[in-house]
Amino acid sequence: DARVTQTPRHKVTEMGQEVTMRCQPILGHNTVFWYRQTMMQGLELLAYFRNRAPLDDSGMPKDRFSAEMPDATLATLKIQPSEPRDSAVYFCASGLIGDGRVVTDTQYFGPGTRLTVL
Amino acid sequence: EDQVTQSPEALRLQEGESSSLNCSYTVSGLRGLFWYRQDPGKGPEFLFTLYSAGEEKEKERLKATLTKKESFLHITAPKPEDSATYLCAVVGGYNKLIFGAGTRLAVHP
Repeated sequence: DARVTQTPRHKVTEMGQEVTMRCQPILGHNTVFWYRQTMMQGLELLAYFRNRAPLDDSGMPKDRFSAEMPDATLATLKIQPSEPRDSAVYFCASGLIGDGRVVTDTQYFGPGTRLTVL
Repeated sequence: EDQVTQSPEALRLQEGESSSLNCSYTVSGLRGLFWYRQDPGKGPEFLFTLYSAGEEKEKERLKATLTKKESFLHITAPKPEDSATYLCAVVGGYNKLIFGAGTRLAVHP
């Protein structure tokens, strides 16, 4: 049963520290998405990659957030420095999405990383 | 600006009591509307994609329908295991998935 995996599942850190979240997409999927979920804002798209190339990161605070795909099996989301307002659940999703239909095809979500910044 | 509004925020049903969840949307050129189910502590789980007004899809006790302004998720004879948050999302002209706030469904025996 193929699924998206995320590590760590929980992270508690202090303000100012660097946080790295990792995602392993489903093997063969060519598109990876990063989302953030909070009670106030709901689910928000932060960034997405297709074939490892960043396509859109307009939802991400540029000064402190960065997203990369070092290889096809790993996507990372880094926050440096972290702030209490970054506390949220961060989801990674992957999909097999064809040309011209980048976001309209099915996405499969991982279990999320619950981040708490004190 | 693309927007998605879901109602009600929360719904409590007795087992077997059918009902519907609403998703109203405003987008510049709908490219797709999605329904997801999310259980506590887990990521959203894909249910349906609808692409054009008049389209309908079914899966077990769930049926999703789409008009030019809204989508409904009909739940027929729900069971306690259908309890979850149901999320609606749309993709419009900006090619981004915009989620609604969700409807928390509780089905009691």
